[in-house]
Amino acid sequence: QKEVEQDPGPLSVPEGAIVSLNCTYSNSAFQYFMWYRQYSRKGPELLMYTYSSGNKEDGRFTAQVDKSSKYISLFIRDSQPSDSATYLCAMSEARDDKIIFGKGTRLHILP
Amino acid sequence: EPEVTQTPSHQVTQMGQEVILRCVPISNHLYFYWYRQILGQKVEFLVSFYNNEISEKSEIFDDQFSVERPDGSNFTLKIRSTKLEDSAMYFCASGRLAGPTDTQYFGPGTRLTVL
Repeated sequence: QKEVEQDPGPLSVPEGAIVSLNCTYSNSAFQYFMWYRQYSRKGPELLMYTYSSGNKEDGRFTAQVDKSSKYISLFIRDSQPSDSATYLCAMSEARDDKIIFGKGTRLHILP
Repeated sequence: EPEVTQTPSHQVTQMGQEVILRCVPISNHLYFYWYRQILGQKVEFLVSFYNNEISEKSEIFDDQFSVERPDGSNFTLKIRSTKLEDSAMYFCASGRLAGPTDTQYFGPGTRLTVL
């Protein structure tokens, strides 16, 4: 079983829709969970950062972590065409530890 | 807002040549990392560096690779004898990691093409 699994998509949704992106993982030692956004041929840009289980909200973005199910989610409300990008889930065991990435989900928001 | 910078943005080299990729981390950061992303693949960890020494390295980071912090601002990745399979985007990341919400911030990457 791969350490971090993420559906690569592509996922196409109409502008204004709620987007749900998900990852599963196998390593129960992961404590820090991140979502990065990556535009084509650019570096990953940190969107959300969560420690352990729970929800975190930042504007139109909500991150959820369910450690019992080893499942994390990112929700985007009122999606915009500018949200079109690849979204990478990522996690680590400790703050200074290496980050393990999912393969990324390509998201297209249709105007 | 401070950011991680990397140079060059694109490097083309011949197989067997040495390349040095350069990074300027965010100034008050203490932890430094290199990752790579082969086209169409996931971002993979290469090496972490703290207190002037390697903290951890992946199996990808073999004897052909080395890292250095030659002065107070730069962080470099050297590939001694490049192979075709080294072609990838190389990302530098840095972090202060002093507080509960600190994490690693990534640079824009250097695209390495080995011919």
